[in-house]
Amino acid sequence: QKEVEQNSGPLSVPEGAIASLNCTYSDRGSQSFFWYRQYSGKSPELIMFIYSNGDKEDGRFTAQLNKASQYVSLLIRDSQPSDSATYLCAVKVRSTDKLIFGTGTRLQVFP
Amino acid sequence: GAVVSQHPSWVICKSGTSVKIECRSLDFQATTMFWYRQFPKQSLMLMATSNEGSKATYEQGVEKDKFLINHASLTLSTLTVTSAHPEDSSFYICSAELNTEAFFGQGTRLTVV
Repeated sequence: QKEVEQNSGPLSVPEGAIASLNCTYSDRGSQSFFWYRQYSGKSPELIMFIYSNGDKEDGRFTAQLNKASQYVSLLIRDSQPSDSATYLCAVKVRSTDKLIFGTGTRLQVFP
Repeated sequence: GAVVSQHPSWVICKSGTSVKIECRSLDFQATTMFWYRQFPKQSLMLMATSNEGSKATYEQGVEKDKFLINHASLTLSTLTVTSAHPEDSSFYICSAELNTEAFFGQGTRLTVV
């Protein structure tokens, strides 16, 4: 079992819709969870991080964490074509400083 | 946010030669930096953790004699790919943390011909 799993996609949504990206992780000792956006040929850029169970909102983005289910998600409201990218879920395990990345979900927002 | 600068952004080299990639934290000090490798359509895989003033810690399966890491100052870590081969062609990315947030360099696209 991979440590951090994501559906590779592509996930296609129309402009203005809500895009829902999901991620599961295997290590119950994980304590920090991050969502990165990566455009083709570029390095990742941080969108959000979440540490506690529940929802965290920042503008059009909402991160949701459920530690009991070992599940973290990212919702993008009012999706725009410029949101088209690969979204990487990353998890930091309590015992190390290492970030473990999922394989990423490719999001396509069409006009 | 903090800035991490990586250089060069792309490099083409001949098989058998060595390539050095620099990673600098521009506005903060980083005792630890991380080096990742990303193959096309795959995720970032951690190669090694670079520690200022001490030896790097390599992930399982990463050859430390092939991927030399030097972290001589609090703002600079270098990765040298020695005797590069076509299979080393990849996107190499460094990161440094500030207040638990990871900041990434721009990445280096290495092509070995």
